[in-house]
Amino acid sequence: DSGVTQTPKHLITATGQRVTLRCSPRSGDLSVYWYQQSLDQGLQFLIQYYNGEERAKGNILERFSAQQFPDLHSELNLSSLELGDSALYFCASSASLSRHYEQYFGPGTRLTVT
Amino acid sequence: GQQLNQSPQSMFIQEGEDVSMNCTSSSIFNTWLWYKQDPGEGPVLLIALYKAGELTSNGRLTAQFGITRKDSFLNISASIPSDVGIYFCAGLNMDSNYQLIWGAGTKLIIKP
Repeated sequence: DSGVTQTPKHLITATGQRVTLRCSPRSGDLSVYWYQQSLDQGLQFLIQYYNGEERAKGNILERFSAQQFPDLHSELNLSSLELGDSALYFCASSASLSRHYEQYFGPGTRLTVT
Repeated sequence: GQQLNQSPQSMFIQEGEDVSMNCTSSSIFNTWLWYKQDPGEGPVLLIALYKAGELTSNGRLTAQFGITRKDSFLNISASIPSDVGIYFCAGLNMDSNYQLIWGAGTKLIIKP
């Protein structure tokens, strides 16, 4: 158990809909990262937050947005969903100091768009 | 953008065999991380490397930070069925704006 929690575990929704994925980082970790992993593919970095502020953006679509709240949990919002958005979405967290780059992953949310 | 070339893409192994995989880049990296992902689960950090030439073990796993700083290697000795999964390398350098660059993964499969 990495200490990173994600909810829900599974999500099935229809095209055009909007969903919110939630992540709680490990205790004490200030950075949260979101990744997308399509079937049998690698990890695509979406976005990073550090202590409530957006720190870096990867290949995140304009239909997707995220935020990190004062209690450090984060939410990833996906809107106008398309079939191609079906994937595993992972949240990871890392500490703020010397081991900043060691990311610890949650169990993921499997999104199915029908 | 920057890429890491991870090879092999997949490996079929017999239980008990030693396994080697590697990651290479055209750029210099100052951090290398190795992760393992079981099906439907999140990647788990196996080994982190921070110095050129560094050799670090975690049980039957040994990883090395290449001396040129452009590559890293992961070896698994005496493989067992639970070693099956996808192994990802990830690297970090200043050019990546301190974001991890990920390899495409090496899929380890046990021969029946």
